[in-house]
Parts: sequence; structure tokens; C-alpha cells
Amino acid sequence: AQSVTQPDARVTVSEGASLQLRCKYSYFGTPYLFWYVQYPRQGLQLLLKYYPGDPVVQGVNGFEAEFSKSNSSFHLRKASVHWSDWAVYFCAVSMEGGRALIFGTGTTVSVSP
Amino acid sequence: GGIITQTPKFLIGQEGQKLTLKCQQNFNHDTMYWYRQDSGKGLRLIYYSITENDLQKGDLSEGYDASREKKSSFSLTVTSAQKNEMAVFLCASSPLGNQDTQYFGPGTRLLVL
Repeated sequence: AQSVTQPDARVTVSEGASLQLRCKYSYFGTPYLFWYVQYPRQGLQLLLKYYPGDPVVQGVNGFEAEFSKSNSSFHLRKASVHWSDWAVYFCAVSMEGGRALIFGTGTTVSVSP
Repeated sequence: GGIITQTPKFLIGQEGQKLTLKCQQNFNHDTMYWYRQDSGKGLRLIYYSITENDLQKGDLSEGYDASREKKSSFSLTVTSAQKNEMAVFLCASSPLGNQDTQYFGPGTRLLVL
């Protein structure tokens, strides 16, 4: 069955430091992969999405993610974290023509001064 | 641009009560979704609707009913609230043919006493 694993429930990073959030997927076929962000008391917003092609995709606010078929991973990165990046980040997968997304459990990012 | 509105923002119910959550979108999107978000469990799909008058069950449909009254609105009913239940219900929508990219509402927070 398709699934998404985010092994880190919570990550604390200093402002200005780099950030990497891990995502592993289990999927038969060609996956479409996504990162969504949920700011406090808000709904989810799309950060970036991967469709088959270039394995590195750029998103909003300086985020990027890299797809690795050999590792079944889609890790999210940011070079320099800002306090406004304090949020919950969700990785998700869907199949081509799929009707719905399968979400991971989320990683809460806290930013320290 | 558009917006998704969910009402109410907060919902407090009693055990065994039937509770209805409402969602409106003005994106003119065809597909709408209801997810349940529990702490540490990510988002789980309850129901989705590809178009008006269509209903499809998700992984978590037991204990819920849904209704797609018109293209812009999608309601979810908790048929019998469970004591001490606490969760956030998120509504989302997406255009037909691009169902990977979903736009989310701010959520309804449910607490059952």
C-alpha cells in the first residue's frame, strides 16, 4: 500500500541555519510528490511539487526538495531558516491521475533565535 | 484567487450528538475533500467529491456522512460524536484534472465533551 513516512516529529533549528526535513515514500508506479506547510491556525499551503522530470524542484520562500528513486525519498531543504518558517510541514504522495493525496504525519519546525 | 471558508471555526458537542461541518469554496473547483487531522497522525481522507452530487469514501469514512449540495459547497456530518474526541477537520478543493494541487481551508476544531 502507498504510504509516506516522516521520521522526525519535531525539529528545532536556529534562525539562519540550514534545514532538512526527511520524507520517505512507499509507492508502486510513478509517484507525484508534494510538500505542504501549515502555519499556526491556518490550513495547508502547497510549498512545492514534483512531477517526473528534474529531481530537484524549487518552491516558494527558498525551499527546494530532491527526489531520489533509489532511496524512495523526497527531502525538503532550506539554506537559511527564518523565524516565519515556524510551522508544520507535511509530505504527500499521489499517483498519476489520482484522486487524493496520502499525507505523512508531519514535522513541526521550531525556530530558535 | 479564491478562498475556502469553513464553518464553524470551533465546534463543541456532546457524546452521541450529530454534528455538521460546512465548507464553501469560490475557486469554482470541481473536486472537494474532507480530511481529519489528529495530532501525530497527519491528515486522513474522510470523503471526497469529484463533482456536484458525487461522493467517494476515503480511508476514514466510517462514522461520517457527506453531502455535495452544489459545486461550491461540501458538508460533513459526524453521525455520532465520540466522548473526548478532539480533532481538526480540514476541507480542500482542487480543479478537475489537477487534483494533486489542493487548496485548504483553515479548519474546524471539534471537541466532544
